[in-house]
Amino acid sequence: GQQVMQIPQYQHVQEGEDFTTYCNSSTTLSNIQWYKQRPGGHPVFLIQLVKSGEVKKQKRLTFQFGEAKKNSSLHITATQTTDVGTYFCAAYSSASKIIFGSGTRLSIRP
Amino acid sequence: EAGVVQSPRYKIIEKKQPVAFWCNPISGHNTLYWYRQNLGQGPELLIRYENEEAVDDSQLPKDRFSAERLKGVDSTLKIQPAELGDSAVYLCASSLEGRETQYFGPGTRLLVL
Repeated sequence: GQQVMQIPQYQHVQEGEDFTTYCNSSTTLSNIQWYKQRPGGHPVFLIQLVKSGEVKKQKRLTFQFGEAKKNSSLHITATQTTDVGTYFCAAYSSASKIIFGSGTRLSIRP
Repeated sequence: EAGVVQSPRYKIIEKKQPVAFWCNPISGHNTLYWYRQNLGQGPELLIRYENEEAVDDSQLPKDRFSAERLKGVDSTLKIQPAELGDSAVYLCASSLEGRETQYFGPGTRLLVL
């Protein structure tokens, strides 16, 4: 069956450093979403990617969807303390199956 | 606009007891999702509804879990009997249609003793 792997599991950075999390699927995806969950909170939608090779930006956040639609990445430039949380990808298969990655927990040293 | 409402927010029960969670989605959202999230893990889809129809319940442990979405609006998820391993946060989410942005409720934190 479909598997989704997200790496790294944890990342601890100095404020101002960059951060990247990767999401890899064993099967081709129809679309992928990214969510952020603050400690003690619930997932909040960030972006959806649909097209092969798509790149979207939100201020310091850059999201990419691979050419083969089997992987995606989220890159944060110059992290700030407000970026702390866990970032999840949600992978949608062509059969409308939804699988969330295990998340990457970002912590930041001020 | 009101968000997804869930109740209760917290529940502590003894094993073998029944428990029920309630979710009211955002008005007009046809798709409703129930997830289970264990500590340090991503949400795991239990069941997805399109209006009243359960279109994906492949991950729902049907021997003890049941769900319903009468009239295609609010929904209830039940566990009977609860086991120690059911301790988790149960999240409800809704979206206008499938594959659209999911809006999550605050979740119900269940502890089974």
